[in-house]
Amino acid sequence: AQKVTQAQTEISVVEKEDVTLDCVYETRDTTYYLFWYKQPPSGELVFLIRRNSFDEQNEISGRYSWNFQKSTSSFNFTITASQVVDSAVYFCALRRSEWDYGGSQGNLIFGKGTKLSVKP
Amino acid sequence: NAGVTQTPKFQVLKTGQSMTLQCAQDMNHNSMYWYRQDPGMGLRLIYYSASEGTTDKGEVPNGYNVSRLNKREFSLRLESAAPSQTSVYFCASSEVGASPYEQYFGPGTRLTVT
Repeated sequence: AQKVTQAQTEISVVEKEDVTLDCVYETRDTTYYLFWYKQPPSGELVFLIRRNSFDEQNEISGRYSWNFQKSTSSFNFTITASQVVDSAVYFCALRRSEWDYGGSQGNLIFGKGTKLSVKP
Repeated sequence: NAGVTQTPKFQVLKTGQSMTLQCAQDMNHNSMYWYRQDPGMGLRLIYYSASEGTTDKGEVPNGYNVSRLNKREFSLRLESAAPSQTSVYFCASSEVGASPYEQYFGPGTRLTVT
């Protein structure tokens, strides 16, 4: 079974603090893909990053960084020097490999999300 | 380039009424999806369409039907709305290929069934 767990329901930090959002996934597939999406108060879903299961390099994009560890089935997201504009719900998602199963297994399996509040 | 558009943005229905949620994308994507988002539940897939002319059930298809009208448009129909279908509905699209591309989401439709 495929499952994504975001154990932190809500996190509140003060501006400029660093914050890490946890994501733990379950899958028996050898090839899979992990995603992070941001949902600001306005409601739209914004794509942040995609990671392949065979690429364990960490990624940094400005104040954002991602730590992918297959050994612990985790794909954690860190915001450095948080800002008020980072306040949002963040979703981690898992997707199977289309080539393993033929046809489209293209749906994303989402975690329940972590609501981040950054206070000034 | 509008991306993924959805209409309407808000809708209130009475139990038993029917309606169709419209979705269109202008990115020439092959795959399109309908999700619902409920508080504390994340997003769950209702139906998806891998390509024009095909549709498949997702995790929560009961009470819904879909139509992939053409490559651009993918509609979701509620034949007899129920209060349990009160939710925010998102349409998404993506390209397909050797590795999966990210899904692009529309702005959502907030549906209330009384």
